[in-house]
Amino acid sequence: AQSVTQLGSHVSVSEGALVLLRCNYSSSVPPYLFWYVQYPNQGLQLLLKYTSAATLVKGINGFEAEFKKSETSFHLTKPSAHMSDAAEYFCAVSEGNTGFQKLVFGTGTRLLVSP
Amino acid sequence: DAGVIQSPRHEVTEMGQEVTLRCKPISGHNSLFWYRQTMMRGLELLIYFNNNVPIDDSGMPEDRFSAKMPNASFSTLKIQPSEPRDSAVYFCASSFLGGGGNTIYFGEGSWLTVV
Repeated sequence: AQSVTQLGSHVSVSEGALVLLRCNYSSSVPPYLFWYVQYPNQGLQLLLKYTSAATLVKGINGFEAEFKKSETSFHLTKPSAHMSDAAEYFCAVSEGNTGFQKLVFGTGTRLLVSP
Repeated sequence: DAGVIQSPRHEVTEMGQEVTLRCKPISGHNSLFWYRQTMMRGLELLIYFNNNVPIDDSGMPEDRFSAKMPNASFSTLKIQPSEPRDSAVYFCASSFLGGGGNTIYFGEGSWLTVV
């Protein structure tokens, strides 16, 4: 069964600092991997996704993630945090070669940005 | 373009009452998902449809929950009778299944409180 593990339920950074949110996946087949962001009282919005093309994926709002098969990781990074980045971030996985897409989410990481 | 539209946005109901949550997917999408989000369990997939047909309902917690998709532009999730432990945010999401790695778009959620 596929799954994702997000290390750290909370991550705190200062404005302008590097953001690193960790995600490790488990999948018996080549995975598709996603990062979603959830702002307070809102739904989930796609930040970026990996679908077996380039291993370094660039998303919206300056975020990017790198797929590393050897480490079964898909960590999310941003060089310089903004106050507006404060939100909850979810990593998700779906099986890459099945006919129907079923996203399995991690438990989420809340990013706190201080001035 | 309109996104996934859910109603009601907020509902407070008494234990034992019937609750109906509604969803209009993005026009042209052929897959629809119902997720539940709670602090304790995170994001759980309850059921998903493809071309209006339920494909996987293994996440539906019990017989009190039912979901229907009578046509491509409308779905309901019903809880009868409701219980306090059903209090959660219920998200509807949709995508176009045309290959792997399709983006799933989420609605703003229906915030349910059962007292």
